[in-house]
Amino acid sequence: KQEVTQIPAALSVPEGENLVLNCSFTDSAIYNLQWFRQDPGKGLTSLLLIQSSQREQTSGRLNASLDKSSGRSTLYIAASQPGDSATYLCAVRWSNFGNEKLTFGTGTRLTIIP
Amino acid sequence: GAGVSQSPRYKVAKRGQDVALRCDPISGHVSLFWYQQALGQGPEFLTYFQNEAQLDKSGLPSDRFFAERPEGSVSTLKIQRTQQEDSAVYLCASSLVAGELFFGEGSRLTVL
Repeated sequence: KQEVTQIPAALSVPEGENLVLNCSFTDSAIYNLQWFRQDPGKGLTSLLLIQSSQREQTSGRLNASLDKSSGRSTLYIAASQPGDSATYLCAVRWSNFGNEKLTFGTGTRLTIIP
Repeated sequence: GAGVSQSPRYKVAKRGQDVALRCDPISGHVSLFWYQQALGQGPEFLTYFQNEAQLDKSGLPSDRFFAERPEGSVSTLKIQRTQQEDSAVYLCASSLVAGELFFGEGSRLTVL
């Protein structure tokens, strides 16, 4: 079964620290992987999209890496700020013929302590 | 439009009522998805459209759930005879084919 797992479910770090969020997936035959941010009561905001052929993507203080062979992706946040507090979701689009949907993990709830 | 728009943002229904949730995708986006998100969980796939064609409805939990996108733009998710377990946030997303997904703010359904 194709599944996405995010551990830990919650994480608290002091402001200014660098941090890494983890995402693992059970099948390495992926088409792409997308990281989202979700604020309470809001929809999902796309952060980074990594295609299967890519190893990493960067946007500002965010860097996402992809290692298909080990079934892992990480989201690195540099110099964390209180405004980074949110739930971070990882989602995978597998490359099965005809598959378009994303399969989500349950997310990591991040709290940045001022 | 500039982003994916969903309405209503909040809906309270009595058990047994029918509800309809609307999604207006980003202009030009061929693909449209509906997801269901329970509290504290990640979104769960419900159904997918490419233009007006519903290509995957494997995630719809029962035959009380029905989705349509008749002109390949606006989509409606209809839930008949609502049950308490249908209470959730219903998220709509759109994209170019196999592209980056953009989500709306969601419709929060509470069934009493």
